[in-house]
Amino acid sequence: SAVISQKPSRDICQRGTSLTIQCQVDSQVTMMFWYRQQPGQSLTLIATANQGSEATYESGFVIDKFPISRPNLTFSTLTVSNMSPEDSSIYLCSVDRWQGASGNTIYFGEGSWLTVV
Amino acid sequence: GESVGLHLPTLSVQEGDNSIINCAYSNSASDYFIWYKQESGKGPQFIIDIRSNMDKRQGQRVTVLLNKTVKHLSLQIAATQPGDSAVYFCAENMGFNKFYFGSGTKLNVKP
Repeated sequence: SAVISQKPSRDICQRGTSLTIQCQVDSQVTMMFWYRQQPGQSLTLIATANQGSEATYESGFVIDKFPISRPNLTFSTLTVSNMSPEDSSIYLCSVDRWQGASGNTIYFGEGSWLTVV
Repeated sequence: GESVGLHLPTLSVQEGDNSIINCAYSNSASDYFIWYKQESGKGPQFIIDIRSNMDKRQGQRVTVLLNKTVKHLSLQIAATQPGDSAVYFCAENMGFNKFYFGSGTKLNVKP
């Protein structure tokens, strides 16, 4: 598996502000992803964080709202900009890791639990 | 994109019984599936995976079955324990390790 650390683990944010979430992995990984999990719901992929180039966003997510950085193969940040209460969610970093016979699989951090007031 | 869904939103089982959690997928081209367990207040935890060239894979107390004919995936948990209480998600690889998740099944284990 992979050791994935996210900061902050929890935060309460004022509407209109922005917050940057950090994701640190214990070893180099090819692919890093950011997911959102709204209260009581499943996970939705926000974007793929690409090292050395812009992130690739999924439908419904835009760079202005969720800017992402990936300066190296072990670290990424996700910023939630101009927050509103609808942005209250768990934001999860995930990485791919070689599993041997199964090929690559995806592991998750513990998430950053954001509440916007 | 195509969706992954679950048949049952909640499942209650007696401690010691076997649990079966089901998942339907719609993309016949999907070649890799994962089951995750998410306990309250935690991130999703990898349980077991299966590739489309297999129809069954076993782990410790867990078995995943894949029926490509009807596009159905199931997770079987043997001798369910209170620690198995969680929300379980199936996830479908849509390519480039981008996963789409089902809506989740909450498993309640009654003592």
